[in-house]
Amino acid sequence: SQQGEEDPQALSIQEGENATMNCSYKTSINNLQWYRQNSGRGLVHLILIRSNEREKHSGRLRVTLDTSKKSSSLLITASRAADTASYFCATAGSADNNNDMRFGAGTRLTVKP
Amino acid sequence: ETGVTQTPRHLVMGMTNKKSLKCEQHLGHNAMYWYKQSAKKPLELMFVYNFKEQTENNSVPSRFSPECPNSSHLFLHLHTLQPEDSALYLCASSQEVTGKEYFGPGTRLTVL
Repeated sequence: SQQGEEDPQALSIQEGENATMNCSYKTSINNLQWYRQNSGRGLVHLILIRSNEREKHSGRLRVTLDTSKKSSSLLITASRAADTASYFCATAGSADNNNDMRFGAGTRLTVKP
Repeated sequence: ETGVTQTPRHLVMGMTNKKSLKCEQHLGHNAMYWYKQSAKKPLELMFVYNFKEQTENNSVPSRFSPECPNSSHLFLHLHTLQPEDSALYLCASSQEVTGKEYFGPGTRLTVL
């Protein structure tokens, strides 16, 4: 069953602008992960944030987690055309395994040069 | 390159055919996964193997049969599939079942 739900479903921006994608979920989680999927490629892991963390950074990526609102956001700063991809959030409810990992339907990001 | 390879990359098969998807990871990981990604639907976890033992089967129909002969290889045997089984099948691996997953490029399957 679906857990994470990304918002918006599609986003189109100009190169250099920032892109913000949101993910909401319904049940308590142990961690939340963001993935990127380029056309014709598999999913690439971007960031994992645990339920006791509020913010993480990786290069131009910033992820926040608000467990009270059951939501997370992914911010890509100074976007590039190469950032064009689908972005998925996935939640895991258990600290013991990934067996219950649930993915959202994704946000399709288009960065125009 | 994530260290996870999948073959074939594309497969077209009839409903009466039998085929197999192959996944190989070169990362020394202990856990491997099969996912199904259908158009307009969230990614679905199908099977989980940990140290070659199946630990999860998310109510997947028996026409999908996984096999994990060793920690580096994972197969998905397909038989008498339906057109609605057409999807991208992704393999992933992780060091342990709690770890970050590395995905392969997927096999695009079309069932006629």
